[in-house]
Amino acid sequence: AQSVTQPDIHITVSEGASLELRCNYSYGATPYLFWYVQSPGQGLQLLLKYFSGDTLVQGIKGFEAEFKRSQSSFNLRKPSVHWSDAAEYFCAVVYNNAGNMLTFGGGTRLMVKP
Amino acid sequence: SQTIHQWPATLVQPVGSPLSLECTVEGTSNPNLYWYRQAAGRGLQLLFYSVGIGQISSEVPQNLSASRPQDRQFILSSKKLLLSDSGFYLCAWSVRHNTEAFFGQGTRLTVV
Repeated sequence: AQSVTQPDIHITVSEGASLELRCNYSYGATPYLFWYVQSPGQGLQLLLKYFSGDTLVQGIKGFEAEFKRSQSSFNLRKPSVHWSDAAEYFCAVVYNNAGNMLTFGGGTRLMVKP
Repeated sequence: SQTIHQWPATLVQPVGSPLSLECTVEGTSNPNLYWYRQAAGRGLQLLFYSVGIGQISSEVPQNLSASRPQDRQFILSSKKLLLSDSGFYLCAWSVRHNTEAFFGQGTRLTVV
């Protein structure tokens, strides 16, 4: 069965520092990959997605992610974190097989120190 | 543009009472619809999905049921709530199963 692993449950960074959130997915052909952000008590907002093509994808709010097939990874990055980025981040994967559904990682909670 | 509405935003219900959460989508036709549950400090668990009117698939056996009486309406129900049903419930839609999903604002359910 497909799975997504986000190894870091909590991460704390200082405002202005760079950020990398890790995401690994179980191997499968043609993964479609996504990153979502969730503020407390809110729904999930799509940050970016990867279907094919350029392995470095740009998203909203200054985020980017890089797909590395050899490492089965899709890590999320931001060069300079703002206090408003404090939230929970979810990686998700779906495969192109019929009936396959979006599967989410356990999430990484980001805290930003002033 | 497409929008998704989910209500109520918060709900406190006694054990043994019924539940009905409603979700509607606007601006699209024949969407895939989903109900997820997010327990405190945990990730998202897919409860139900629907690819069309009256077509419901359950991912996890539980005390809940779902229905899709209209193309863009998805309802989550229970006849008798349990304490373990407490959580944050999210409705979502997508164009197809292998594209991104768009989420509602969620319902915080507390069973007391």
